Amino acid sequence: AQTVTQSQPEMSVQEAETVTLSCTYDTSESDYYLFWYKQPPSRQMILVIRQEAYKQQNATENRFSVNFQKAAKSFSLKISDSQLGDAAMYFCAYRSVQGETSGSRLTFGEGTQLTVNP
Amino acid sequence: NAGVMQNPRHLVRRRGQEARLRCSPMKGHSHVYWYRQLPEEGLKFMVYLQKENIIDESGMPKERFSAEFPKEGPSILRIQQVVRGDSAAYFCASSSGRAAPYEQYFGPGTRLTVT
Repeated sequence: AQTVTQSQPEMSVQEAETVTLSCTYDTSESDYYLFWYKQPPSRQMILVIRQEAYKQQNATENRFSVNFQKAAKSFSLKISDSQLGDAAMYFCAYRSVQGETSGSRLTFGEGTQLTVNP
Repeated sequence: NAGVMQNPRHLVRRRGQEARLRCSPMKGHSHVYWYRQLPEEGLKFMVYLQKENIIDESGMPKERFSAEFPKEGPSILRIQQVVRGDSAAYFCASSSGRAAPYEQYFGPGTRLTVT
């Protein structure tokens, strides 16, 4: 079974600075998807960024980018020019592409609570 | 295009009562997933359904929990004889199932409190 680990329960950053959130995962599969979700106080789960494992190029979405190290099974999220609205719980998630059943669920890490200081 | 809708947003039940949580997927989506988030934890997969079929229920507790997604109407997650440990946020997600990466879109969640 796949597992996702986020070793930083809490992180803080100054507004306009850059912060990196860590995520590692364990899998025996060669093809899969990785995601970062944001959960603000409203509790709505918002997709931040997605990475396909077969793509070597790191995904970017505006101020959000990832550092995907497939061999190390590492998938960190970098937030540049942090804004107050970035304050939230961030979850790393894994999704297999193998099979109709096992390929469907998302496996989440425990989350990192990000605080943005003005 | 309306997003994934869940109701109620908040539900309070006494121990022993039944809880029924509803999820209406995004328009055009026929795949529904339920996840549970216990306090201070990440989301845990419970069940994956397509219209009239349960595809994967490996994350569902063996007793008291059931889920359905009928041909017409919302998906229902049903918890019988609730206990305090069932207090959690329950999230529904949907996907079209038609093209990779089969992205899942989440609803706002239902917060269940068992007193």
